[in-house]
Amino acid sequence: EIVMTQSPATLSVSPGERATLSCRASQSVNSNLAWYQQKPGQPPRLLIYAASTRATGLPARFSGSGSGTEFTLIISSLQSEDFAVYYCQQYNDWPLYTFGQGTKLEIK
Amino acid sequence: EVQLVQSGAEVKKPGESLKISCKASGYNFAKYWIGWVRQMPEKGLEWVAIIFPDDSDTRYSPSFQGQVTISADRSITTAYLQWTSLKASDTAIYYCARLFYYASANYYGMDVWGQGTTVTVSS
Repeated sequence: EIVMTQSPATLSVSPGERATLSCRASQSVNSNLAWYQQKPGQPPRLLIYAASTRATGLPARFSGSGSGTEFTLIISSLQSEDFAVYYCQQYNDWPLYTFGQGTKLEIK
Repeated sequence: EVQLVQSGAEVKKPGESLKISCKASGYNFAKYWIGWVRQMPEKGLEWVAIIFPDDSDTRYSPSFQGQVTISADRSITTAYLQWTSLKASDTAIYYCARLFYYASANYYGMDVWGQGTTVTVSS
């Protein structure tokens, strides 16, 4: 099973600032990496797939990058609605799609 | 509108059985994989199992193989997750989600989610 490790566990950032979230895979997943956002009391929402492709309607302030084992999600100018938990998910190993443990993005 | 509506919260005792449901509408239910994701209290997301309703092809995460059973009824466009003998460690929110095929990425992404079913197992 491919293990996904996210860092940091919690990230404190002020509104308007930039947030950088990291995700590492235990073995190469090529570019087969997605990001999900989850707000309290809600189901997750797909943000990005193929490491850098934004889902329909996702604002351009969200960007993803990376390949192989190292990936990054950047939110360029944080809005109040962006404070949430973010999960990476690898899909290189169909059908065993594994998630990272999440990064909580909180207001500083 | 594509929608997944899950059954309500459950409180059960260890050793009891349970079947929770996920009613789909607004799309051709048979032709999309549908899956379940577990979220234990204050924890992250875990991939449980998926099913392709058209032919009932099922796949399980190794961690859940033998612990749960996924099924689907095409006639009523509903997917299910069931347990024969619950444990306290099954306490969690269970989400169902449709898997949409993003061809350019060869990725079955979870694009529509149910609202979640809270399962509490306690003596």
